[in-house]
Amino acid sequence: DGGITQSPKYLFRKEGQNVTLSCEQNLNHDAMYWYRQDPGQGLRLIYYSQIVNDFQKGDIAEGYSVSREKKESFPLTVTSAQKNPTAFYLCASSIAWDRLETQYFGPGTRLLVL
Amino acid sequence: AQKVTQAQTEISVVEKEDVTLDCVYETRDTTYYLFWYKQPPSGELVFLIRRNSFDEQNEISGRYSWNFQKSTSSFNFTITASQVVDSAVYFCALSEAYNTDKLIFGTGTRLQVFP
Repeated sequence: DGGITQSPKYLFRKEGQNVTLSCEQNLNHDAMYWYRQDPGQGLRLIYYSQIVNDFQKGDIAEGYSVSREKKESFPLTVTSAQKNPTAFYLCASSIAWDRLETQYFGPGTRLLVL
Repeated sequence: AQKVTQAQTEISVVEKEDVTLDCVYETRDTTYYLFWYKQPPSGELVFLIRRNSFDEQNEISGRYSWNFQKSTSSFNFTITASQVVDSAVYFCALSEAYNTDKLIFGTGTRLQVFP
């Protein structure tokens, strides 16, 4: 079955620690995205990648980093510089970046700070 | 500026009632897409529908229907004969042709359907 997988489902971070959230898709989509969702709010774009080895900052990139070494994978690292990382993180992908397309989402990772 | 407004924060209905979720958008672009997503308690966003700005025809899919009106910049979503399984947070979103990378979300409407 084609889809987007995210792991882990829950992740705990200690003070000063970097953590990496995984996102994999087997839809052969070119574009991938990371969003953050806080309670009672809509989704905010952290980073996106249009093609392999290229990525762009979204609206709230500070304290986060990404890589796109493979088409199917777009991991997100939450660094110690992100002072308020507790949130629900959603990964998405779409067929192409240069035209209007639907974004499909993974199941999400809930990050909690210890 | 582009913006999506979902003024209804939370709606509660009893099973079998009809319910309409409102969505109002702002955009300077003439070519854009509008979306509705469903977020059940599990958290995953489920794609429901996409509508392009040149197609104002209303759409019906089973108990779901969508009313797109450019004159009022609205894209409302109606669930007929609601069921407990419809309980979720529903998001309306906008994507514009001049900035295809960005999906702009409303703040969501939480729908609770009681038996």
